[in-house]
Amino acid sequence: DAGVTQSPTHLIKTRGQQVTLRCSPKSGHDTVSWYQQALGQGPQFIFQYYEEEERQRGNFPDRFSGHQFPNYSSELNVNALLLGDSALYLCASSLARGQGADYEQYFGPGTRLTVT
Amino acid sequence: AQKITQTQPGMFVQEKEAVTLDCTYDTSDPSYGLFWYKQPSSGEMIFLIYQGSYDQQNATEGRYSLNFQKARKSANLVISASQLGDSAMYFCAMRERNTDKLIFGTGTRLQVFP
Repeated sequence: DAGVTQSPTHLIKTRGQQVTLRCSPKSGHDTVSWYQQALGQGPQFIFQYYEEEERQRGNFPDRFSGHQFPNYSSELNVNALLLGDSALYLCASSLARGQGADYEQYFGPGTRLTVT
Repeated sequence: AQKITQTQPGMFVQEKEAVTLDCTYDTSDPSYGLFWYKQPSSGEMIFLIYQGSYDQQNATEGRYSLNFQKARKSANLVISASQLGDSAMYFCAMRERNTDKLIFGTGTRLQVFP
């Protein structure tokens, strides 16, 4: 049973560029959430996707956008990269609210993004 | 406002001893869930234990137990019989009813020594 997978593992980009990160949820899960974890901090919620739509969003600018595909996998896009976007980006998968156990929110290994 | 506070930036414990990692939370929602995650240096967040706000008993999962004191709004993690492999960052998190986002604390770095 595959867990949550993310690609790429590491990424180096230049200020102003655009980046796309990818996530495949755990088998059987249909909801994907994205988090940003800056160095020395706890993860911060970016947004969540369910049924190919953004269902909830955290306090992040419009430069951060996402997409969910029919197979439940998801992409996180960040435009006009800033130095402050350097962080570990974590994807978490779960079942739709009310469909599974409340504790079922499993994380992938993350993508470490460095902006120079 | 929803908030998780972890006041211990770092903790040391000797192998085979027990250790308690502190977590306090703030919420006005009577229905919520509390989580603990372990994050090794590799970066992956590993789910450890969950406590629902209406659960009557403290949660336990193997060597992990959660000391839930609702009136004090605390949800401390107790690790018994520490192992060298327990060395990692530990995060406490909360999710309120009808929301999907987890709110995390700043974490505690646990170091287990022989």
